[in-house]
Formats: sequence, structure tokens, C-alpha cells
Amino acid sequence: SQTIHQWPATLVQPVGSPLSLECTVEGTSNPNLYWYRQAAGRGLQLLFYSVGIGQISSEVPQNLSASRPQDRQFILSSKKLLLSDSGFYLCAWSVLQGAAETQYFGPGTRLLVL
Amino acid sequence: GNSVTQMEGPVTLSEEAFLTINCTYTATGYPSLFWYVQYPGEGLQLLLKATKADDKGSNKGFEATYRKETTSFHLEKGSVQVSDSAVYFCALTAISGGSYIPTFGRGTSLIVHP
Repeated sequence: SQTIHQWPATLVQPVGSPLSLECTVEGTSNPNLYWYRQAAGRGLQLLFYSVGIGQISSEVPQNLSASRPQDRQFILSSKKLLLSDSGFYLCAWSVLQGAAETQYFGPGTRLLVL
Repeated sequence: GNSVTQMEGPVTLSEEAFLTINCTYTATGYPSLFWYVQYPGEGLQLLLKATKADDKGSNKGFEATYRKETTSFHLEKGSVQVSDSAVYFCALTAISGGSYIPTFGRGTSLIVHP
């Protein structure tokens, strides 16, 4: 069966520090991968998605970047964090099952920028 | 573009009450429709899905029917429990530029009292 891992689970970082969040998927090949941010009490904001190694599409211009160095690894980075980067970051993968592209989510990383 | 509209929350119910959370969508083509549930501090879990008109998705006592004529996918449960307290997200995926881009509603918080 497929599983998705995210780490760290929680992170407290000072403003201006760098960021690296990692997401890995097991049990599937060539998945589509996604990074979302969820601000407190709000909906999901799609940040990046990837359909293959080295292929990244950005949905929202900001100080974050994403990379996919391996088929099942997706990394979210920042060179200098802002206060507004605080939130709950969710990684997801998807696969076409029948007629539906179904997404499955990781447990999330809670980031607090102080 | 595609969009998903959910009823504003929070929805507050007593245990064993009937639940309806409304969801309507706009999309080009023939989207697949989903409901996800998010328990506090966790990622999203797929609750149910439907891939074509008149399909009914069901899981854990929850049901939703894909209504193309009204572009709706309302979530229902006959008798809610305290453990159903969570945030519920309606979503769709539809092909756009060769990729399946997901679109989420803003989420509806459900609070069930004993």
C-alpha cells in the first residue's frame, strides 16, 4: 500500500532563517506531487505541483520554492522566512484511479515563524 | 476557471442529528468530485468520491450524490456522532492543460455535541 511521510511534524523558526520541508511517498511510481499551505482556520492554498522529476509548477508567487530531486521526493524550501509563512503545510500525491485523479495527503508540518 | 463553493460554518449539531453540508461547483468538462475530512492537527483524509453524474459516493455512513443538473455534491449523514466533529472539504479535479488540477472549497467546520 502507499504511504506518504512528511517531516518535521512541527517547526519553530526565526524570521529570516531558511526552511526545508521534506515529503516522500512510498508504494507508487511517478506520482503527481503537491504542496499546500493552510493558514489557521482557513482553506487550502495550492503552492506547487509536480508531474515528474525536475518539473515544478508554481501556483502562487512568493518567497517559497519547491524541488523534486527524485521520483518520490518533494521538498519545499525558503531562503528567508517571513512571519506570513506560518501555517500548516500539507504534501499530497495523486494517481489516476479509473476516471478520477484522487489525492492523498500527508500528516502535515506545522510551521511557526517568530 | 474551476471553483467549489461550500456552505459557511461552523455547523453545530446534537448527536444523532441529520447532517447536510452543501457543496456546489463550476467546472469545464466532466470533473470528479470528492469529500475530504480533516480532524484537528491532522492532514486531510479522503472520505468519498464520485466520478460521473448520478454516482453516489459513500463511506462511514456519509453519502454524496453527483448531481450534474444542479452542479452539486452535498454531503449527508443520517445520524452524526461526536467523533464526526472535524472540518469537511469539498473538492473537484478536472483536466486543465493536460494535468489534473485540484480545486478545494474553503472547508466547513462541523461540531457535534453529546
